[in-house]
Formats: sequence, structure tokens, C-alpha cells
Amino acid sequence: GNSVTQMEGPVTLSEEAFLTINCTYTATGYPSLFWYVQYPGEGLQLLLKATKADDKGSNKGFEATYRKETTSFHLEKGSVQVSDSAVYFCALKVQGAQKLVFGQGTRLTINP
Amino acid sequence: KAGVTQTPRYLIKTRGQQVTLSCSPISGHRSVSWYQQTPGQGLQFLFEYFSETQRNKGNFPGRFSGRQFSNSRSEMNVSTLELGDSALYLCASSLGSTGGVYGYTFGSGTRLTVV
Repeated sequence: GNSVTQMEGPVTLSEEAFLTINCTYTATGYPSLFWYVQYPGEGLQLLLKATKADDKGSNKGFEATYRKETTSFHLEKGSVQVSDSAVYFCALKVQGAQKLVFGQGTRLTINP
Repeated sequence: KAGVTQTPRYLIKTRGQQVTLSCSPISGHRSVSWYQQTPGQGLQFLFEYFSETQRNKGNFPGRFSGRQFSNSRSEMNVSTLELGDSALYLCASSLGSTGGVYGYTFGSGTRLTVV
């Protein structure tokens, strides 16, 4: 079946550190890939997406590249801020399906 | 442009009761999906509606049901509540019929507590 595996959290970094949150997937066909972010007490916000191999999604300094050969969609940011503290979810959607499949989420805490 | 609106934000119900949650999608969005979020199971798909038709349903018991109205607003209902139904229920809307290209916009959720 279709599934998403994210790196275990929680992740704690200092401000201005480099961030990588690993995400790998298993899917039939060619899925669209997403990163969502959830701040405390809130719903999910779409952070970035990629719909085909080698696409790079980017937003607010975050980037992720759709790697078909390694079935990965790792999230990166060059210099994190305290305001980036949140839970990050990697997700996929297989073409023709009407649902997102989520990873388990990675809690990120940035210390000043 | 208004986002996805879910009401109420918080609910406390007693075991055995039933509950109805509401979701108003972004104007023009015809696809509405529902997800359950719990610490143990994470985010799980409940069902998806497009133009008043349920197109997909997740692996939940029949106590969980939903519907969509002609204005695209959606409701989900949980009957005979159990303690394990305590969760954050999220609604998402999408512009297209497949969602993948356009992405999904989520509401802030309804926090249901069953006591």
C-alpha cells in the first residue's frame, strides 16, 4: 500500500542552524508530495508541494526536492528561526485517489 | 478570501451520545475531505466528498458518516460516541476534483473530547 515514513522526532535545534527532516515514501504510480506544518492549537498549513520527479517545492525558506530514484522528499531550511517551531508532516497523494496519506509527523523545537 | 471554517472549535460529549461537526470550504472549492488526528494513530483519512457524492471512505466503523450539501458545505456525524473517538477532526477543501495538483487547504479543526 501507500505509506510515508518520517524521521523520528522530536528534533531540537538552535536558532540559525541547518534543518533536515527526512521523508521517504512507498506508493503505486507517481504521487504528488507535500509538506504540511501544524502550529500549536491549529490545523495544517500547506508548506510546499511537488507533483513530479525532480520538482523542487519551496516556501518561506524551506525546500524539498521530489527524488523518484530514492523515493524521498526531504525538507530542508538553511537557517531556522524560533518561529519555525511546529510539527511537520510529509504526505503523498496518489493520482486518482482522493485522500492524503500522512507520515507520523516530526516535532521541531528551535531554541533561541 | 475566507479559509476553511470548522465549527465548533471545541466539543465535550458523553459516551453514547452523537455529534455533528460542520465544515465550510473555501468559496469555489467542491471537494471536502475529513481527517481524524490522534496522538496514537496520527492523521487518518475519514472520507471525501465532491459535488455531494462520497468518493472515498477510510477504514472507520459505520458510526462515522458524512454528507455534503449543494453549497459544498459538509457535515460529519459520529454516533454512539466512544472514548477513543476523542480527537482533533480536520476538514480540508480543494479546488479540483483530484486535489493533487491544487493541494488541500485545512481548517483549524474541531477538538472533540468524549468523557
